[in-house]
Order: sequence, then C-alpha cells, then structure tokens
Amino acid sequence: AQKITQTQPGMFVQEKEAVTLDCTYDTSDQSYGLFWYKQPSSGEMIFLIYQGSYDEQNATEGRYSLNFQKARKSANLVISASQLGDSAMYFCAMSYTGGFKTIFGAGTRLFVKA
Amino acid sequence: NAGVTQTPKFRILKIGQSMTLQCTQDMNHNYMYWYRQDPGMGLKLIYYSVGAGITDKGEVPNGYNVSRSTTEDFPLRLELAAPSQTSVYFCASSYAVENRADGYTFGSGTRLTVV
Repeated sequence: AQKITQTQPGMFVQEKEAVTLDCTYDTSDQSYGLFWYKQPSSGEMIFLIYQGSYDEQNATEGRYSLNFQKARKSANLVISASQLGDSAMYFCAMSYTGGFKTIFGAGTRLFVKA
Repeated sequence: NAGVTQTPKFRILKIGQSMTLQCTQDMNHNYMYWYRQDPGMGLKLIYYSVGAGITDKGEVPNGYNVSRSTTEDFPLRLELAAPSQTSVYFCASSYAVENRADGYTFGSGTRLTVV
C-alpha cells in the first residue's frame, strides 16, 4: 500500500535561516510523483514543488528545493532563507501509477520566528 | 482566470439533512477530485473523476455521491449528514497526466459543520 509519513508535527526556524521538513514514502510502484503543498492559516492549498521518480536532479523552485533520496524513499523539502510568510502547514504528497490518486501526509506546521 | 471555484465557503447542517457542495473549474482540466481534511490531518480522497461521465471512489466515499455531467462541474452530494462529516472539503483539478509536474489546483475549501 502507498503511504506518506511526515514525522515532525511542528518545527521552529529563525527568520533567514534554512529549514528541512522531512517526508518519507512507501510504494511498490516504479513511476510516481512527489509533491509539496503549503497551507497558510487562510486555508488554501498552494502547490510548491514536484519531483518525478525518474528525475535524476533534485527539483528546485526559487527558495524551495526537494532533497530526493530514492533508495531511502525520502523527499525532504528544504526552504532556504526563511521568511515570516513561510509560517504555514506543509504537506508532502505522492501520486502513483495505476491510480489517479494523490495521497497526503499528516503535515508539518512550520513557525518562523522574527 | 478563476481556477477552481467552490461554493459555499461555510455551511452548518443538522444531522440528517442533505446538501450539495459545488465545484467548477475553468482550466479545461479533465481530472477533478474531492478531498476532505479533518482537523490537524492531511487530506483524504473522497471521489475523483477522469472526465465527464466517469467517476470513481477514493479512500473515504461512504456518505457521499458525485456526478460529472460536464468537464467544468463536479458537485459533491452529502446525503443524511452525520457529525463525522464535519470537515473542510476541498475540490481540486489537474491535467490528464496523473503525475503532472504542476500539481493540483485547489479550490478555497468549504468548511462544513454537522450539528
């Protein structure tokens, strides 16, 4: 069965520092996609970054990068130079072949301190 | 460009009542989804659709029904509301390639309380 695990319920980071949010996944599929979404306190879901299972390079989008370690089945999100506006809930998600579905982890709440 | 529009934003239902959550997208996406998010939890898939006239169950379909008569609309029907259906409901859409690199576009959510 497919599974996404986020083991950090909450994280604190000082403004302007980098932070890593952990995500591990479990799947027997060879083709899958890994995503990170941000949910601010206003409640909307915002797509941040994507990594395909066959992509050899780690994905980057501005201050976001995805540290993809396929053998360890981990897909950690790295946010560089944290800003106060980064305070939010962050969800790791995986879509997988054979189903038109994306499963989500339980989320990590990030607090950025001034 | 409106993206994914959900209505209503908030609703309080009494136990046993029924209602329809509306979802419309204007991006010509083939795939549409309904998720629910319980407090402090991730999203769980209720139903999804890969095109007009085609729907299928997700992880937690009990107590819900959907229809997809057009590409744009994907309403979610709650029959006989129960307190366990108190949640935030998100509609989402995407292009046809399931592992599409641009992710899902989500609506702003509907906060439903059943009392």
